[in-house]
Amino acid sequence: DGGITQSPKYLFRKEGQNVTLSCEQNLNHDAMYWYRQDPGQGLRLIYYSQIVNDFQKGDIAEGYSVSREKKESFPLTVTSAQKNPTAFYLCASSMSLGMSTFFGQGTRLTVV
Amino acid sequence: DQQVKQNSPSLSVQEGRISILNCDYTNSMFDYFLWYKKYPAEGPTFLISISSIKDKNEDGRFTVFLNKSAKHLSLHIVPSQPGDSAVYFCAASAPQASGTYKYIFGTGTRLKVLA
Repeated sequence: DGGITQSPKYLFRKEGQNVTLSCEQNLNHDAMYWYRQDPGQGLRLIYYSQIVNDFQKGDIAEGYSVSREKKESFPLTVTSAQKNPTAFYLCASSMSLGMSTFFGQGTRLTVV
Repeated sequence: DQQVKQNSPSLSVQEGRISILNCDYTNSMFDYFLWYKKYPAEGPTFLISISSIKDKNEDGRFTVFLNKSAKHLSLHIVPSQPGDSAVYFCAASAPQASGTYKYIFGTGTRLKVLA
């Protein structure tokens, strides 16, 4: 079955440490996205990628970095520069930008 | 500046009745709208979409209505079922100057269908 896999589902890290969230899709989608969800807020776009080796900043890119070396993979690194990293992170993909988007199960990151 | 607004944070509906979830937007450049359903600790699931060239799209129990002049869209679920209890997000996209698209999501409405 095709889908989007995020791992791990729950992640704990100490303050000041970088952490990388994994996102893999086997839907053959060109576009991939990372969103963050905080309580009482909608999904906010962190980074998106239209094709391999290309990515663009979203609305809240500060403190995050991404790479898109393979079509199937779009890992997100939460760096120590991110002031409020504790959140629910969602990876998504679509055939192309603007098309219906499919989401992974999410990773809940808690920084202690 | 919240370009996509869902002003009702929660809604309770009796099983079998109609659920109506509303969404307002401010950017007239939005040309594609989507509704997602989200259960706790899971990623959102795509439900239904509508292009700005249409005013209605129907898929089974779900119908989305778009009123461009009012910059308003709504999702109708009929009949509502207990399994429909979830948070519903509306999202809108518009082409950017670079030619790419970006999605803007609302804050969500929590629907509770009472048995």
